[in-house]
Amino acid sequence: DSGVTQTPKHLITATGQRVTLRCSPRSGDLSVYWYQQSLDQGLQFLIQYYNGEERAKGNILERFSAQQFPDLHSELNLSSLELGDSALYFCASSLRADNTGELFFGEGSRLTVL
Amino acid sequence: GNSVTQMEGPVTLSEEAFLTINCTYTATGYPSLFWYVQYPGEGLQLLLKATKADDKGSNKGFEATYRKETTSFHLEKGSVQVSDSAVYFCALILTGGGNKLTFGTGTQLKVEL
Repeated sequence: DSGVTQTPKHLITATGQRVTLRCSPRSGDLSVYWYQQSLDQGLQFLIQYYNGEERAKGNILERFSAQQFPDLHSELNLSSLELGDSALYFCASSLRADNTGELFFGEGSRLTVL
Repeated sequence: GNSVTQMEGPVTLSEEAFLTINCTYTATGYPSLFWYVQYPGEGLQLLLKATKADDKGSNKGFEATYRKETTSFHLEKGSVQVSDSAVYFCALILTGGGNKLTFGTGTQLKVEL
């Protein structure tokens, strides 16, 4: 158990809809990272937050947004969903702002867009 | 840009066989290198790391040596077990610059009795 909690574990929705994925980081960790894992793109870094502020941005679409709240949990919002957004979305956490490469991953939220 | 290339899977081995999963990288700077493992239905877990050339990372019987001259970080284990069946990801991050951990596409390992 990594200590990172993600909800929901599974989500099925329709094209055009909006969903919110939630992540609680490991106790004491201040950074939260979001990754998308799909069969064709592999594991893609989306965005990082550190202590409530956006720290680094990766291949995140404009239809996607994220935030980190004062209690350090984070939410990833996906809107105007398309079939290609079907993927496993991972949250990871670490203590520091600078990514040392040592991240603790949650079990992921599997999104299916029909 | 930075990238990681892994051998395609799945790799299927018999229990107690020797394992090698190849990983090569391209980096504009001086990277730290990692192997992560993803067991079925779980998130990724850090398996081992190396931060400079000729460093050897090791954990749970797995080893990988940072080879700067060949830009490689191959994962090895002398005797695999059924419980090692998982997807293995090689990854890099540039030291002192950028926050992006770049992953390879993953290599699935299946170990059979």
